[in-house]
Amino acid sequence: GAVVSQHPSRVICKSGTSVKIECRSLDFQATTMFWYRQFPKKSLMLMATSNEGSKATYEQGVEKDKFLINHASLTLSTLTVTSAHPEDSSFYICSAETGVANEAFFGQGTRLTVV
Amino acid sequence: GESVGLHLPTLSVQEGDNSIINCAYSNSASDYFIWYKQESGKGPQFIIDIRSNMDKRQGQRVTVLLNKTVKHLSLQIAATQPGDSAVYFCAESTGANSKLTFGKGITLSVRP
Repeated sequence: GAVVSQHPSRVICKSGTSVKIECRSLDFQATTMFWYRQFPKKSLMLMATSNEGSKATYEQGVEKDKFLINHASLTLSTLTVTSAHPEDSSFYICSAETGVANEAFFGQGTRLTVV
Repeated sequence: GESVGLHLPTLSVQEGDNSIINCAYSNSASDYFIWYKQESGKGPQFIIDIRSNMDKRQGQRVTVLLNKTVKHLSLQIAATQPGDSAVYFCAESTGANSKLTFGKGITLSVRP
């Protein structure tokens, strides 16, 4: 299947700083990528839909100024957690749409720990 | 609101036995369903999918069954192996959109 790469896989940051997470589609172009958040032993919760060349669409309850999404190219979307706090600690996962109906592949996830 | 959920939080099976993981969904407009496997610290891995115009689809050692009448989805794993131990999620979407709604997840534990 298609390969989606997330970087970094783990990050620890101090409270108040910002962290950028990258999601890359390595062997296909993705006009649409999705960002999910997952708490321990919980399911994935969709945060936002990232559209290449346009603004992201955020799910209800997700602060767009807190979680900045940029999709500047067909192979890269970034999620920046701004002014991170301990409650932002979570597992963040992206997926990229291949363009074949409904088909999307997931990255390996990023474990964010805010101390 | 609409939701996708799983009946049981954990499932323990003997190695070599068949596993059946069940999922209920409530959005009658859902027309595409996927099963994912997630190992600890990793992203979800696609297992098998099915569209609403089908009621059964088979893969290698896995079968997905869809019952639209009762809005029920199941994943059957034949000859379960230790490497099958993971959390399994069902997910659904509507139309051509890849935006997924995930179920709660069930942990499959394989006893040697």
